[in-house]
Amino acid sequence: DGGITQSPKYLFRKEGQNVTLSCEQNLNHDAMYWYRQDPGQGLRLIYYSQIVNDFQKGDIAEGYSVSREKKESFPLTVTSAQKNPTAFYLCASSPGQGGDTEAFFGQGTRLTVV
Amino acid sequence: GNSVTQMEGPVTLSEEAFLTINCTYTATGYPSLFWYVQYPGEGLQLLLKATKADDKGSNKGFEATYRKETTSFHLEKGSVQVSDSAVYFCALSKYGGSQGNLIFGKGTKLSVKP
Repeated sequence: DGGITQSPKYLFRKEGQNVTLSCEQNLNHDAMYWYRQDPGQGLRLIYYSQIVNDFQKGDIAEGYSVSREKKESFPLTVTSAQKNPTAFYLCASSPGQGGDTEAFFGQGTRLTVV
Repeated sequence: GNSVTQMEGPVTLSEEAFLTINCTYTATGYPSLFWYVQYPGEGLQLLLKATKADDKGSNKGFEATYRKETTSFHLEKGSVQVSDSAVYFCALSKYGGSQGNLIFGKGTKLSVKP
């Protein structure tokens, strides 16, 4: 089945540690996104990538980093510089340019700093 | 720039009541419009979509019509069920935007009481 997979579903991190969230898609989509969602809040864009080896900052990129070395993978690293990393993180992908650009979402990763 | 505005929640209804969640957008050209639904602890799922003016998207009893003259895409359902309790996001998609392809509203939480 085609889809987008995030792992792990739950993640615990000690303060001062970096942690990487995985996002993989087998939909052959060009564009991929990372969003952060806080309790009772909407989605805030962290980073997005429209093509391999290229990515742009979203609204809240500080304290995060990404890479896009392969079309199917878009990992997000939450660094120790992110002051309040506890949140629900959602990855999405979409076909990219032109036509129907419906987005598909993963099931999310809930990150908790302990 | 492109933006989406949807009504603030939460919205609380009794089972079998009529639902309307308002959504308006600002965009140049002709974006595609979507409604996504998020159940607790999960990612977003596409509920319905419309890709051109006057199109009506429908799914699971929900409907929304792409109104270019009023730049609106209001979500409606004639008779809600307890299982419809979730957060609903209105979104637009237009390639080449400053935030990638996807722009989301802030979400509207719906609670349906038996």
